[in-house]
Amino acid sequence: LAKTTQPISMDSYEGQEVNITCSHNNIATNDYITWYQQFPSQGPRFIIQGYKTKVTNEVASLFIPADRKSSTLSLPRVSLSDTAVYYCLVGDPRRNTNAGKSTFGDGTTLTVKP
Amino acid sequence: DSGVTQTPKHLITATGQRVTLRCSPRSGDLSVYWYQQSLDQGLQFLIQYYNGEERAKGNILERFSAQQFPDLHSELNLSSLELGDSALYFCASSVTPGGLSGENIQYFGAGTRLSVL
Repeated sequence: LAKTTQPISMDSYEGQEVNITCSHNNIATNDYITWYQQFPSQGPRFIIQGYKTKVTNEVASLFIPADRKSSTLSLPRVSLSDTAVYYCLVGDPRRNTNAGKSTFGDGTTLTVKP
Repeated sequence: DSGVTQTPKHLITATGQRVTLRCSPRSGDLSVYWYQQSLDQGLQFLIQYYNGEERAKGNILERFSAQQFPDLHSELNLSSLELGDSALYFCASSVTPGGLSGENIQYFGAGTRLSVL
């Protein structure tokens, strides 16, 4: 089971680039890395997924070093509407099923200020 | 809009009652997942169905049950409700049943907020 560690919270300002790093030292060979975004009282929304190197889509980039023991979600030029919780998942989240603990982990609460 | 539809949006009921939450997956998705989210326990995986069959079970209480119908919509039944069952219940769907590698992307609905009084 690949445990992930990410900052509990981060603050940023509008227009800045935000990088959220997730550590996953015991990632398995076949594991994918997936990031979700969740706004209050809404369901998580898929942002980006990668296996190695760099992946970019219209909303974010994902940087994965060669050893794959960490990954960094990069959000370019954030706005107030990017204020949300960001979850880093490694492998299948169903593997994280543990009574009393969040399947998606605790996530990083990003607050974007004007 | 994720394409996953959940009804109702809000549900208020009393302890001891039974409720049914409904989910319609994205067009073409065969897998449906149910999650519970509360303030103290975060997002908890409850159960997954794939093409009508139970695929994986998480922290689902015995008072809770689910099923997936031939048209692929799913229902989560919660019975003998307790105050602690008050939470947001999310449904997600995906194309494939998913494997341990986690390449399976899940698309979430807007949720049903259940309040047990």
